[in-house]
Amino acid sequence: QKEVEQDPGPLSVPEGAIVSLNCTYSNSAFQYFMWYRQYSRKGPELLMYTYSSGNKEDGRFTAQVDKSSKYISLFIRDSQPSDSATYLCAMSRYNNNDMRFGAGTRLTVKP
Amino acid sequence: DAEITQSPRHKITETGRQVTLACHQTWNHNNMFWYRQDLGHGLRLIHYSYGVQDTNKGEVSDGYSVSRSNTEDLPLTLESAASSQTSVYFCASSSGADTQYFGPGTRLTVL
Repeated sequence: QKEVEQDPGPLSVPEGAIVSLNCTYSNSAFQYFMWYRQYSRKGPELLMYTYSSGNKEDGRFTAQVDKSSKYISLFIRDSQPSDSATYLCAMSRYNNNDMRFGAGTRLTVKP
Repeated sequence: DAEITQSPRHKITETGRQVTLACHQTWNHNNMFWYRQDLGHGLRLIHYSYGVQDTNKGEVSDGYSVSRSNTEDLPLTLESAASSQTSVYFCASSSGADTQYFGPGTRLTVL
């Protein structure tokens, strides 16, 4: 069993839809949770960063962490074609030097 | 602006050849990482370094080596390239206080 599980999709939604992306994990020691966005043929870039459980909102993006269920989510409101990318979840135990990544979910937002 | 660069961006080589991928960062970060990204596996850690003269093995280190002679550079060497090492390679750096910043990637094909 992988430490971090993420449905690779692909996921296709119409413009304006609410998108929900999810990851589950097995290691209860993870404390730091991140979402990266990766455009085609580019490096991953940090989108959201949270510590421990709870919600964090940044514009159209909301990250949720439920440590009791070992489940994290990323919600995208009013999705735009420019949101089309692969979204990677990542998590670490002590700091950001021991990160474990999900396989990534490929999202397409159609105009 | 600070950045992290990788070269070459694309490389085709033959089985058995030695290959070196370059990574250079101007963030002045102590921590540097090498990952490979394959479909269905996400990002997997190859090697990492917490400072000059420090190197450590990651999850998939067999067949790879790194050396750290200065803060800015962490070259990745494939001692004897194998077809299983065909992948996209990403270098990243961090200060340890926040997230990792990724380079644009090197697409390596081993024939």
